[in-house]
Order: sequence, then C-alpha cells, then structure tokens
Amino acid sequence: KAGVTQTPRYLIKTRGQQVTLSCSPISGHRSVSWYQQTPGQGLQFLFEYFSETQRNKGNFPGRFSGRQFSNSRSEMNVSTLELGDSALYLCASSLVGQGALEQYFGPGTRLTVT
Amino acid sequence: GEDVEQSLFLSVREGDSSVINCTYTDSSSTYLYWYKQEPGAGLQLLTYIFSNMDMKQDQRLTVLLNKKDKHLSLRIADTQTGDSAIYFCAEKEGGGSQGNLIFGKGTKLSVKP
Repeated sequence: KAGVTQTPRYLIKTRGQQVTLSCSPISGHRSVSWYQQTPGQGLQFLFEYFSETQRNKGNFPGRFSGRQFSNSRSEMNVSTLELGDSALYLCASSLVGQGALEQYFGPGTRLTVT
Repeated sequence: GEDVEQSLFLSVREGDSSVINCTYTDSSSTYLYWYKQEPGAGLQLLTYIFSNMDMKQDQRLTVLLNKKDKHLSLRIADTQTGDSAIYFCAEKEGGGSQGNLIFGKGTKLSVKP
C-alpha cells in the first residue's frame, strides 16, 4: 500500500505571497491532519479534516486554512506569507475509530519564505 | 495546557542500550506514542502504549509507562548506527476517535561506532 504523499517537497516563496500544499493519504484513510515543524516551536498541530469537514483546529491564525476533497486528499493554504512561516509542513493520515490514533506521516513539504 | 517534555540529546555507543525519557502533563491521556524522524524525512510511528499498560515490548523496543509520575520511556536494545535519529514522544489530545497528537521537542540520539 502506498504511503502518504505530499507535494511539492520543496517550495520557496516571498513574503506576502500565498502557497498551497497538497497531501494524499494512505488508501482507505479518511482523516488527514496537518502539522508545522520548526526548530524553535517543534511540531505543532494545525488542523484535522475528516469527510471533507474540519473537525479539529490548532492555535494558528486565520491565514492558515485547509480543505479536504471527497477522495480524502487534502490541501492546506497559507496566505500573506511571513518569514516565520518557513517550516516543514507535515501531513498525517489515519483510519477513523475509537482507540489509538495511529497517524502515518508523509515526508513533508519544506517551505522557505524569503 | 498539555505539555510533553524530553531531553534534547542522547549519545550512546553502538551495541549499548539507549533509554529516552519523556514526561507529560495530561493525566487523561489514553495513548502515548513514540515516533522516529531521520534527516530529511517525515515521522515514522515506532510504537504506542495504552495508558492502562505498564510495559510494551516490540523486538528491540521496550516502552515503560509510569502513569502515577506521568513518565514514559523508550529503551532501544543493542543500539545500532542506523538508530541515529530524532525520537519524539507524543500524547493523544482529546477522547474518542477525534484528537490530535501533542509532541515533545524530540531527543536527538547519536550512536557512536
């Protein structure tokens, strides 16, 4: 079974621009979560989507948004980029159900804002 | 809010055991996790433990949970150079099927030949 894929792997943008990142979950996984990883703050939860609905959100400004499509693929968008948005953005997919939350991560998209 | 703490660095010799420690604050956490991240890669789920267990063993990995002290540890037996990576401890926030993971800052394990 193919793992979680993220595109693009690397991205360079300038301040003020916007960016869209894409994530394809493992086949059959309907939950997709996004995390931001920086050296200073570590791994921080952005949001989670399930059945095209955002059902959980972290503490990030409204410039960060996302969506999920009917095939469970997800995109996240960051508008009006700031230098501090430079980070590794990780997507994770999981099956839905009670019990352990086994999240499987993609390789990430490295975003550099100049 | 919930917090997960880990020491930042650990250095061991090849063949020795490595023990990576973690403390967490959320006493209602039902599951606790260990992830591994190699350079330039995403996170790999190593193992997890349910909060009503004290220990879980999976090949070279042993997880110990002291729920009273909110302390979790990961022991890697016969550590190899390929085990060099950053190891993250995480707890599940929220109950039921919903929830996200709260991660520690990660422990960088260096294995010397």
